[in-house]
Amino acid sequence: DGGITQSPKYLFRKEGQNVTLSCEQNLNHDAMYWYRQDPGQGLRLIYYSQIVNDFQKGDIAEGYSVSREKKESFPLTVTSAQKNPTAFYLCASSIDRGPGEQYFGPGTRLTVT
Amino acid sequence: KNEVEQSPQNLTAQEGEFITINCSYSVGISALHWLQQHPGGGIVSLFMLSSGKKKHGRLIATINIQEKHSSLHITASHPRDSAVYICAVRGSARQLTFGSGTQLTVLP
Repeated sequence: DGGITQSPKYLFRKEGQNVTLSCEQNLNHDAMYWYRQDPGQGLRLIYYSQIVNDFQKGDIAEGYSVSREKKESFPLTVTSAQKNPTAFYLCASSIDRGPGEQYFGPGTRLTVT
Repeated sequence: KNEVEQSPQNLTAQEGEFITINCSYSVGISALHWLQQHPGGGIVSLFMLSSGKKKHGRLIATINIQEKHSSLHITASHPRDSAVYICAVRGSARQLTFGSGTQLTVLP
């Protein structure tokens, strides 16, 4: 079965700690994305990658970092510099950055206290 | 930057009712997506359209490019349709801009 997996589903961290969220896809997609979802707001783009070893900042990249060492993996690190890290994080992928549809993972709910 | 407005924010319907969710955007686009987010959080793509109308089962999506408006209709609604429905548009920057979603609850 092709798809996108994110782990873990729920993640709890203490303030001041960095945390890495996993995103893996076996769809052979070139493009991958990280979004953040807050209550009452639309999804906002954190980072995206069009190809291996390349990634670009989205609208709200401050306090986050990513890597794209393999086509199938696009991990997101939430650093201690992110002022409001508690949110629902969604990873997505698409064949390329063209107008085609994006496929979403199940999401990770991060709570930082 | 495109602004995407959805209405209503919340919608409660009785099983069997015809449902309409609206989406308006401010700047010309190349495509509009309708997405469905279930309580667990996962998102599924329902439609991608750039003109006209598309139908899949009980779901119908329409778009009016001149008026910068799209509607998602659900016929013969069912409790399993309860979810958040999200409109997203793709503009010249090729990024998606998302609406804040419409929470639909269908009561048996």
